[in-house]
Amino acid sequence: GQNIDQPTEMTATEGAIVQINCTYQTSGFNGLFWYQQHAGEAPTFLSYNVLDGLEEKGRFSSFLSRSKGYSYLLLKELQMKDSASYLCADMDSNYQLIWGAGTKLIIKP
Amino acid sequence: DGGITQSPKYLFRKEGQNVTLSCEQNLNHDAMYWYRQDPGQGLRLIYYSQIVNDFQKGDIAEGYSVSREKKESFPLTVTSAQKNPTAFYLCASSITGGTGANVLTFGAGSRLTVL
Repeated sequence: GQNIDQPTEMTATEGAIVQINCTYQTSGFNGLFWYQQHAGEAPTFLSYNVLDGLEEKGRFSSFLSRSKGYSYLLLKELQMKDSASYLCADMDSNYQLIWGAGTKLIIKP
Repeated sequence: DGGITQSPKYLFRKEGQNVTLSCEQNLNHDAMYWYRQDPGQGLRLIYYSQIVNDFQKGDIAEGYSVSREKKESFPLTVTSAQKNPTAFYLCASSITGGTGANVLTFGAGSRLTVL
């Protein structure tokens, strides 16, 4: 079966750190993606993990554990502009993306 | 600047009418995709195309049709057979399909409302 789960909504404070988790169960695995989507706008690519471990890219980092079917997106030094939905998607054996419903992140001053 | 353009941004339709959503890209990407986004759900694939004059059904193709006559263009028609067409439609493209690091570039979306 194919299933991907992430929290519906999270709240964090400006300047803080937040971790958004994503679990997946797919038949076959070809990588895990994170996208950012501001309300009413296009999703934009943040990160891609295919091997276990942490990938750091500025304030954003993404982690993958294939054995646990688990990924997280870590956002540091939160800014108000980080308020958005964060979409997790994994690529199955047919190279098709299976998308989570997204996590709406609310940043408070 | 290279990018992907969707039009119209907002569209209203009466029940029983077909509507066509435009998607144009100047990124020289081979693969193009149409997704539907509904509140509380992940993106769902409607159709995709990896090469001109060829396209495949996604998970929710019923009530939709597409064409890929040019590399740059991948229009989506929402037919009257689609029972619940009100949604946000996203077009995307990638350099090629069928590979791992297949990063999608998305258009700004078209919001269709059926009255």
